[in-house]
Amino acid sequence: GAVVSQHPSRVICKSGTSVKIECRSLDFQATTMFWYRQFPKQSLMLMATSNEGSKATYEQGVEKDKFLINHASLTLSTLTVTSAHPEDSSFYICSARDLVGSGNTIYFGEGSWLTVV
Amino acid sequence: DAKTTQPPSMDCAEGRAANLPCNHSTISGNEYVYWYRQIHSQGPQYIIHGLKNNETNEMASLIITEDRKSSTLILPHATLRDTAVYYCIALGKGANSKLTFGKGITLSVRP
Repeated sequence: GAVVSQHPSRVICKSGTSVKIECRSLDFQATTMFWYRQFPKQSLMLMATSNEGSKATYEQGVEKDKFLINHASLTLSTLTVTSAHPEDSSFYICSARDLVGSGNTIYFGEGSWLTVV
Repeated sequence: DAKTTQPPSMDCAEGRAANLPCNHSTISGNEYVYWYRQIHSQGPQYIIHGLKNNETNEMASLIITEDRKSSTLILPHATLRDTAVYYCIALGKGANSKLTFGKGITLSVRP
């Protein structure tokens, strides 16, 4: 299947700082990417839909000024957690839609563990 | 997208077939049934998807009932590495459709 890569896989940052997570589709172009958050023992929660060249669409209750999403190219989307706090510590996962190769199948990255201290 | 219902957990013996059920009684005609799994601390892995015909790939088989109200994912020879949470999701074909995860079913493969 298609490959989606996230970086970094783990990051520790100090409270109040910002951290950026990258999501890349390695072997296909993705006009749409998605960002999820997952807390321990819970399911994935969709945060936002990222469309190449346009503003992201955020799910209800997700602060768009805190979770900045940029999708500047067909293979890269970034999530920046601004002014991070300990409660933002979570597993962040991106996914990308392969519209051409596999007919709308969505593939996921490996996830990024964020710890805010 | 249509809601799906899965039992919370099941187990099977290593080497035996694992049959994971899913109900999607409100699925619409243009929604596909997708299956993903998540092994602990990893991103979800795509397994298989189908519309109305049964599908098979190197990982699993997907059996969809004729009325499309339910389906079964079959892992023909389960191994310990198949222990994971399996998610059944109904997804439309439109470019705006998005995957919404429920609680899934936790499959435990025992030695």
